[in-house]
Amino acid sequence: EAQVTQNPRYLITVTGKKLTVTCSQNMNHEYMSWYRQDPGLGLRQIYYSMNVEVTDKGDVPEGYKVSRKEKRNFPLILESPSPNQTSLYFCASSFGTSYNEQFFGPGTRLTVL
Amino acid sequence: KQEVTQIPAALSVPEGENLVLNCSFTDSAIYNLQWFRQDPGKGLTSLLLIQSSQREQTSGRLNASLDKSSGRSTLYIAASQPGDSATYLCAVSPGAQKLVFGQGTRLTINP
Repeated sequence: EAQVTQNPRYLITVTGKKLTVTCSQNMNHEYMSWYRQDPGLGLRQIYYSMNVEVTDKGDVPEGYKVSRKEKRNFPLILESPSPNQTSLYFCASSFGTSYNEQFFGPGTRLTVL
Repeated sequence: KQEVTQIPAALSVPEGENLVLNCSFTDSAIYNLQWFRQDPGKGLTSLLLIQSSQREQTSGRLNASLDKSSGRSTLYIAASQPGDSATYLCAVSPGAQKLVFGQGTRLTINP
């Protein structure tokens, strides 16, 4: 089944404890992206990647890192999480042009205490 | 800066009615527009994708239209059912594989 998977689905952590949220897609998509969703602010793009080893900042990149060492994986790294990073995170992927449909993962609900 | 607005923020209708959800965007320079459905605590399910050169797309009871020049899109749902209850999100692609989302319309279909 074609899909985008994220792990973990739920995570509660404490301020400053490094964490990684994984994202994987099995559709051979070039493009992958991370969004966060907050009440009243909607979905906002954090980082995106056009292909392996090519990443760029979205609208709200502060406090996050990403890497794209393999085409199928695009992990989101929070080196020192803070409470304002409590949010619902989504990974998305699509084929390589802006004309293509984006597919979203099931989301990761992160709480930083 | 592209901004996307969805009106109304919430809508409650009886089962069986036809309804229209609205989406407007400020910059007509878009590659495409996508409508998504989001169930509480769940991910986004893509419903319809309209390319910038298209006027509408249909899937089952759903029909989405796009008027790029006026910066508007509508999602028409025919013969609504309780299972259609969800939040509907509109998103435009201004390029660079980015999506700019509206705040969504929370739809409730009452049996």
